[in-house]
Order: sequence, then C-alpha cells, then structure tokens
Amino acid sequence: AQSVTQLGSHVSVSEGALVLLRCNYSSSVPPYLFWYVQYPNQGLQLLLKYTSAATLVKGINGFEAEFKKSETSFHLTKPSAHMSDAAEYFCAVSVTGFQKLVFGTGTRLLVSP
Amino acid sequence: KAGVTQTPRYLIKTRGQQVTLSCSPISGHRSVSWYQQTPGQGLQFLFEYFSETQRNKGNFPGRFSGRQFSNSRSEMNVSTLELGDSALYLCASSLEGLAGRTGELFFGEGSRLTVL
Repeated sequence: AQSVTQLGSHVSVSEGALVLLRCNYSSSVPPYLFWYVQYPNQGLQLLLKYTSAATLVKGINGFEAEFKKSETSFHLTKPSAHMSDAAEYFCAVSVTGFQKLVFGTGTRLLVSP
Repeated sequence: KAGVTQTPRYLIKTRGQQVTLSCSPISGHRSVSWYQQTPGQGLQFLFEYFSETQRNKGNFPGRFSGRQFSNSRSEMNVSTLELGDSALYLCASSLEGLAGRTGELFFGEGSRLTVL
C-alpha cells in the first residue's frame, strides 16, 4: 500500500524567504504525486502534479516540486514566500488512479511580515 | 464556469440520526469522489462514482454510502451517526478525457457535519 509522510505539521517563514515543505512517499510501484493547498474554510486546490514526465514540476503561484526516486521524496518549494501563501498544504500519492488519493497529514505554512 | 457545489455547508445532527450530503460536479465532469477530513485522521478517501457506478471504495463501514445520478450529481449518506463522524466532507469531481483520467480533482468547499 502507498503512503505519504509530511515532515513538520507547521512551518514558519518570513515574507520573502524560501519555502520548503517536505514530502516522502512509499509506493511499491511508480506513483503519481500531487500537492494541494487548502485555505481556511475552503476545499483543496491542486498546486502541481507529477505523472512520470519531467521530474521537476512547476505549478501555480510560483511553486515547484522535484521528484527524486532515490530519496522517495517530492518536496515543495517556492523561492520567495508571500503573505497570501499562508495555508495548509497536502501531499498526496496515488497508484490506482487519480481519483483515489492517499493524503499526508498536512503542513500548515505560516508567513510573517 | 461554476465549480463543485456542496450542500449543505454546515449541519448539526445528534447521535443515531442519519444525514445526506449533496454534491453537484462541474458541468461535464462524470467522476465524483468523496473524502472525509478530520483533525485526527486527516483526509481519507470514502468512495468514487463514475457514470452512476461506484468505481472505488475506501475503508469505511457500511454506514457510509453514496450514489450518483444520471446528471452526475452525487449524494452520500451516513446512517446511525456517531460522534466520530463529525468532520468536513469534501466532494471532488474530475474530467475523464480520451486518454483516460486527466489527473486533477476539483474540490468543493465541503459540508461540515457536527454530531452531538
């Protein structure tokens, strides 16, 4: 069975600083990997996805993630944090199809001025 | 283009009651999935429907059920509610293209259920 581990339930950065949110996956077969963002009282929005094409994936709002098979990682980064990036971020994996996702526990990103 | 619409947004029930939640997918989307989000268990997959058929199912008891109508709208039902069923229930729809599933779920804002 596949699983996802997100290191750090909370990450705090200053505005303009690098954002790094960690995600490690476990899967016996090549996975599909996703990052979603959730703002308060809202549903989830797809940031980016890895589907076995390019290992460096660019998403919306300046985020990107790199698939590293040797490290079983799919960390999310953004060069410069903005106050509007404050939200909860979820990493997810699927091997059976895009509809049946296994989510990590989430990382809440706090951005201070 | 309207997004995924879930109703009701908030509801309060008591133990033993049942509840029905509704989801209207984005126009043209035929796949609808349901997820439960709780502080303790996080986001967990409930089930997925496509063309009125349940295609995938998560590890939830039989008290949780769902269905999909011919217009792709979906409902989920929870019977004999327990305190632990308090959660945000999220519905997501997706478009299936000629090459198969496109890989993006579009989520609604959820229905927040409180069981007292």
